[in-house]
Amino acid sequence: NAGVTQTPKFQVLKTGQSMTLQCAQDMNHEYMSWYRQDPGMGLRLIHYSVGAGITDQGEVPNGYNVSRSTTEDFPLRLLSAAPSQTSVYFCASSPPGLVADTQYFGPGTRLTVL
Amino acid sequence: AQSVAQPEDQVNVAEGNPLTVKCTYSVSGNPYLFWYVQYPNRGLQFLLKYITGDNLVKGSYGFEAEFNKSQTSFHLKKPSALVSDSALYFCAVRAPYSGAGSYQLTFGKGTKLSVIP
Repeated sequence: NAGVTQTPKFQVLKTGQSMTLQCAQDMNHEYMSWYRQDPGMGLRLIHYSVGAGITDQGEVPNGYNVSRSTTEDFPLRLLSAAPSQTSVYFCASSPPGLVADTQYFGPGTRLTVL
Repeated sequence: AQSVAQPEDQVNVAEGNPLTVKCTYSVSGNPYLFWYVQYPNRGLQFLLKYITGDNLVKGSYGFEAEFNKSQTSFHLKKPSALVSDSALYFCAVRAPYSGAGSYQLTFGKGTKLSVIP
């Protein structure tokens, strides 16, 4: 299993540009989520999904869109990039259930918005 | 709302000495607690978790954590630190299952552990 994969690893955007960060997992996990990591802020949840066709907002959703058309893929779209979105983005997945399961993280995408 | 506090931004410890990284939490109901480690330029890796049962949880790489309900704490410990343990450590909490939204993990801000040779 490849686990959780993210592309690209690095990206530089200009203010106002749009782009999609890709996330895929091959573990048949139903729960997937996107976090951003900023210095001194820890990880903050952007959006999450509990299965194909179901998404919801996390703590910091503004400026980001998500969709979940398949179990495997959970792309994150930046509609109009702003310098405040400069961050490291992590995708994670886990199987759902009444018992908390471990979340598996991808390697991250480092995004710079100029 | 659930929250996690890691009161120390950085912890320095000499190689071979015991280490402790502190974490306190706030959540409604019985918590699910996690520790993750992040090495430079890498994603987060799972270390251990507390769901229920024994208050002392053992995890990867010789780490363990002690759940203390009365103090709402979940401190990470290791009897003898290695230089290779130097990394960023995150504590996280999740509320008991109460619907789709309860899968959300809330992370602390992280503690940088430096083990000095």
